[in-house]
Amino acid sequence: EPEVTQTPSHQVTQMGQEVILRCVPISNHLYFYWYRQILGQKVEFLVSFYNNEISEKSEIFDDQFSVERPDGSNFTLKIRSTKLEDSAMYFCASSSDRLNTEAFFGQGTRLTVV
Amino acid sequence: AQSVTQLDSQVPVFEEAPVELRCNYSSSVSVYLFWYVQYPNQGLQLLLKYLSGSTLVESINGFEAEFNKSQTSFHLRKPSVHISDTAEYFCAVSAGSARQLTFGSGTQLTVLP
Repeated sequence: EPEVTQTPSHQVTQMGQEVILRCVPISNHLYFYWYRQILGQKVEFLVSFYNNEISEKSEIFDDQFSVERPDGSNFTLKIRSTKLEDSAMYFCASSSDRLNTEAFFGQGTRLTVV
Repeated sequence: AQSVTQLDSQVPVFEEAPVELRCNYSSSVSVYLFWYVQYPNQGLQLLLKYLSGSTLVESINGFEAEFNKSQTSFHLRKPSVHISDTAEYFCAVSAGSARQLTFGSGTQLTVLP
C-alpha cells in the first residue's frame, strides 16, 4: 500500500539552527501539505503546495519557513532559525485531487528545539 | 473561517460497549467532513469521510458518522468497541481554496477490558 514517508522521525536541534524536514509523498499525488501539532494542542495547517508553488499558507507560516520540492519525489519544510516554540510534531500529507477528498499523512517528525 | 470542536478530550469505555465521539463544526461555506484516527507512534489515518450524498457514512471496521447540517455535527459512533480501537480520534473539516484541513483537538478513546 502506498504511503507518505517522513524523515527523520525525531530531530533535536539547538535554538537558532536551521532544520530541514523531509517527506516523500505518494508518487502520483500532486497536492502536498505540511501540518504541525504542538504537544497538547490541535493539529494546525501550515502550508499547501501544488505545481511547484505555495497555493495557500496559514499565518503560522511566516518568513522563517519555506517549502520546496527539490526533485520529483521529495517535499521539504525548512525552518531557518528555530525557536523553542517551533518544538512540535510536523506532519506531511499528500492528496491526488484538488478538492483534497482524501489526504494521506506521514508518521510525522518530532522536532525538539533546545 | 472554519472551526471544529470536539467536546470530549478523553472517553473511557468498556469493551463491547457502544461509544459516541462528538464533533461540531462551524463554517460559512460548504465543507467536507472527516474523521482521522491516530494509533500510538503512527500517523493520521483516514477513518471515514462525508463529501456529499447520504448523510450516514461508514468505515470498514464498524464505525459510522452522521452529517447533521442543522446541528452542524458529525458525531462518530460504534455499537460495540474492541480493545484495538484504543487510539486518538480527530474530527476535521476542509474548506478554503486549497481545501486544507482544520482539525479538532482530538478525543482519546480508551477501551477497557
